[in-house]
Amino acid sequence: AQSVAQPEDQVNVAEGNPLTVKCTYSVSGNPYLFWYVQYPNRGLQFLLKYITGDNLVKGSYGFEAEFNKSQTSFHLKKPSALVSDSALYFCAVRDRFNKFYFGSGTKLNVKP
Amino acid sequence: DGGITQSPKYLFRKEGQNVTLSCEQNLNHDAMYWYRQDPGQGLRLIYYSQIVNDFQKGDIAEGYSVSREKKESFPLTVTSAQKNPTAFYLCASRSGKKAGDVEQFFGPGTRLTVL
Repeated sequence: AQSVAQPEDQVNVAEGNPLTVKCTYSVSGNPYLFWYVQYPNRGLQFLLKYITGDNLVKGSYGFEAEFNKSQTSFHLKKPSALVSDSALYFCAVRDRFNKFYFGSGTKLNVKP
Repeated sequence: DGGITQSPKYLFRKEGQNVTLSCEQNLNHDAMYWYRQDPGQGLRLIYYSQIVNDFQKGDIAEGYSVSREKKESFPLTVTSAQKNPTAFYLCASRSGKKAGDVEQFFGPGTRLTVL
């Protein structure tokens, strides 16, 4: 069965420090992986995706994600966090039927 | 939120009433999706449609119905059979025209509250 796990409900970092939001997945076949961000009472905004190729994917707003096939992980990273990065982050995987499966979300708190 | 609109933003319904949530997109996308978001549970798929006049049930379709008569529109009806409809509903679309067009784009959402 396809699934996505985000093991941390909340991540706290200080502004200027690097951040990591963790994601592991389970899917049949080659994974299509995504990260989205959600601000309060808004829809989800697409950050980045992995389809194939380079394991380090760069996306919007300085975010990047590292695909690790052996660990079935797709962790979101940013070298230097901003207070404005505080939001809810979702990892997602797409199966071969074009269905998407989302993690439960990780709330990122960046403190000044 | 791109070219996807959802209306209304807030919706209140009395128990026993059906209600329809609107989702329209002007992105010329083929596929459209409806999700339900509850606190701490992420997004759960209700229905999806990959082409006009065709749609499939997602993981929590009971108590919901959809139609896809036009490419740009994918309305969701929450029926009285849905036991706990209070939630944030999100509509999404996906192009699918090119091999790399795999991501979804989301509307701003509709918050439904049953009184």
